[in-house]
Amino acid sequence: AQSVTQLGSHVSVSEGALVLLRCNYSSSVPPYLFWYVQYPNQGLQLLLKYTSAATLVKGINGFEAEFKKSETSFHLTKPSAHMSDAAEYFCAVSASSSGSARQLTFGSGTQLTVLP
Amino acid sequence: GAGVSQTPSNKVTEKGKYVELRCDPISGHTALYWYRQSLGQGPEFLIYFQGTGAADDSGLPNDRFFAVRPEGSVSTLKIQRTERGDSAVYLCASSLIGRGVPDTQYFGPGTRLTVL
Repeated sequence: AQSVTQLGSHVSVSEGALVLLRCNYSSSVPPYLFWYVQYPNQGLQLLLKYTSAATLVKGINGFEAEFKKSETSFHLTKPSAHMSDAAEYFCAVSASSSGSARQLTFGSGTQLTVLP
Repeated sequence: GAGVSQTPSNKVTEKGKYVELRCDPISGHTALYWYRQSLGQGPEFLIYFQGTGAADDSGLPNDRFFAVRPEGSVSTLKIQRTERGDSAVYLCASSLIGRGVPDTQYFGPGTRLTVL
């Protein structure tokens, strides 16, 4: 079984400041990890995914995340926040084993507010 | 091409009624997923189809929930004897293959179900 914990249901940053959204996972097998963003009244959009090819993953809109096995973490960062980054962000995990490997287990989300 | 579409976008029903929610995946995507997102929570997996068959229905909460995908494209999620606790946003996603390394799941905008 897998699980995801997102620390901080709400995060506020100033425009131009560093964005750091935290995600810790639990998985009994090597995980695949994802970050999705959800804008109001829109579907979830994939930001980036980790599939064991490289521990530092670059995504869209200047976001990146680093897989740290020793810390069971996959934190999302962006060097400089933009007003358009305001949205809800979800971390998700999928097991690399067979069977139900393709279902995603999501965290409870982090609402990012960007202050002018 | 078009993304994943879901109809209706909003559905209000009375307790005890039957509802059907429709999902049109991206053309050519063989894998289709249903998730449920309650207020303030991340999406929770319900069921996954590979082609016409349900490959994993372990997330369906009880036997009032049923989903079909008779021709391997459009899927319908059916809820019998609706309860107030069924109120949530029901999300559909599709992916190209659904085998091996997880392919990106593309999400629709969801159907907001309200049970009065």
